[in-house]
Amino acid sequence: EDKVVQSPLSLVVHEGDTVTLNCSYEVTNFRSLLWYKQEKKAPTFLFMLTSSGIEKKSGRLSSILDKKELFSILNITATQTGDSAIYLCAVLNYGGSQGNLIFGKGTKLSVKP
Amino acid sequence: NAGVTQTPKFRVLKTGQSMTLLCAQDMNHEYMYWYRQDPGMGLRLIHYSVGEGTTAKGEVPDGYNVSRLKKQNFLLGLESAAPSQTSVYFCASGARLAGGSYYEQYFGPGTRLTVT
Repeated sequence: EDKVVQSPLSLVVHEGDTVTLNCSYEVTNFRSLLWYKQEKKAPTFLFMLTSSGIEKKSGRLSSILDKKELFSILNITATQTGDSAIYLCAVLNYGGSQGNLIFGKGTKLSVKP
Repeated sequence: NAGVTQTPKFRVLKTGQSMTLLCAQDMNHEYMYWYRQDPGMGLRLIHYSVGEGTTAKGEVPDGYNVSRLKKQNFLLGLESAAPSQTSVYFCASGARLAGGSYYEQYFGPGTRLTVT
C-alpha cells in the first residue's frame, strides 16, 4: 500500500530557530514529491521535487529529495510567527493517467514569539 | 482568474439529508479532485476526474458520488449524509504539463460540513 509519512507530527519552536521537517514515502510509480503550506484555509504550493539531490529554495525555505532513501526534508531558517502552519508532503503517483497525490498527515509547526 | 472556487463555504446537515458541493475552476485544467481533511488524517482523496465526462474512485469514495458534466465543474454529492462525513472538503484542479508531470494542484478554499 502506498504511504507517505511525515515527522514530527507537531513542533513548537521560537522565532529565529531553524526547523527541519521530514517526509518519507513508499509509493509505486513515483513521479514527484510536493510540499504545501496550509494555514487556515486551502493548502498553498511550496515546492515540487522530481530529481534527487537538487535543492529548491524560496527565501528562508528550502527542500531536497533523496530518491534512493525515499525521503525529503523541508528546512525553514530564521523562523517567524508567520511560518506557523501545517506543512503537508504529497507524492505524485503517476500511474496511468491519474496523477493522484498521496498526502502525509502533515506537520503542525507553531512558532512562538 | 478566480482559480478554484467552492460552494458553499459552510453547511450543516442532519443525518440522512442530501446535498451537493460545487467546485468550479477557470484555468482550463483537465484534472479535478475532491479531498476530505480530518484532524490527524491529512488529506484523503475521495474521487477524481481526468476529463469531462469521466470520474474515478479515490481512497475513500464510499457514501459519495461525483459528476463532471462540464470541464470547469466538478460536483460532489452526498445522497444520505452521516455524522462520519463531518469534515472539511477541498476541491483541487491540475493540468499535465509536457512530459507528463504536473506542476501542482491548485486548491479551493474548502467547505466545512457538519452532519448532526
